Amino acid sequence: DIVMTQSPDSLAVSLGERATINCKSSQSLLYSSNNKNYLAWYQQKPGQPPKLLVYWASTRESGVPDRFSGSGSGTDFTLTINSLQAEDVAVYYCLQYYTTPRTFGQGTKVEIK
Amino acid sequence: QVQLQESGPGLVKPSQTLSLTCSVSGGSISSGSYYWSWIRQPAGKGLEWIGRIYTSGNTDYNPSLKSRVTISIDTSRNQFSLTLGSVTAADTATYYCARVSWGYCHGGPCPYYMDVWGKGTTVTVSS
Repeated sequence: DIVMTQSPDSLAVSLGERATINCKSSQSLLYSSNNKNYLAWYQQKPGQPPKLLVYWASTRESGVPDRFSGSGSGTDFTLTINSLQAEDVAVYYCLQYYTTPRTFGQGTKVEIK
Repeated sequence: QVQLQESGPGLVKPSQTLSLTCSVSGGSISSGSYYWSWIRQPAGKGLEWIGRIYTSGNTDYNPSLKSRVTISIDTSRNQFSLTLGSVTAADTATYYCARVSWGYCHGGPCPYYMDVWGKGTTVTVSS
């Protein structure tokens, strides 16, 4: 199985500041035939299901605010939240869909400082 | 807009079988080439992919659960289901069903990420 490791486990950021979440995979998620990274990011608020934010490592899902951005390639990926808002308090997960079984990172909890 | 809703018993006894159904509304479960998936999350913990089913009935399971899991699809009822046998307290979790986005590869549909999720249903395994 591909192991997904997120860092940090939690972080506290002031309103309006930037939050950066990292995700590292145990093997490359870059598929050479189409040059795409099989990595997605989700946001989960308490009592709610995960919500898709980003797929193909950097493509924002429709309706997701542009303060959320994904980057990275191969084994190292980043989700950046620019200008953190109160409604961004949540746990964020990365998911690899390069192979089966699908595996998630352990989650990163984002709070307001 | 497609919506998913999980249903099933909230309490299951140890060693028995957990059975859940995901009802799909706002679209036909058999239209297009979608895959449909189950994911679970113990309280306060992370997400675990259980498996998926294609509209044709083909399935893929997490090897960690494969011996106990069956996912099936009922296109006439626009539903797909999960059964998990020989449950223990470790199977206590919120169970989510989800639609899986797809694309073409190797001449056929390939599953990608989960794009639409149900709200989840909590299942407790206890006597």
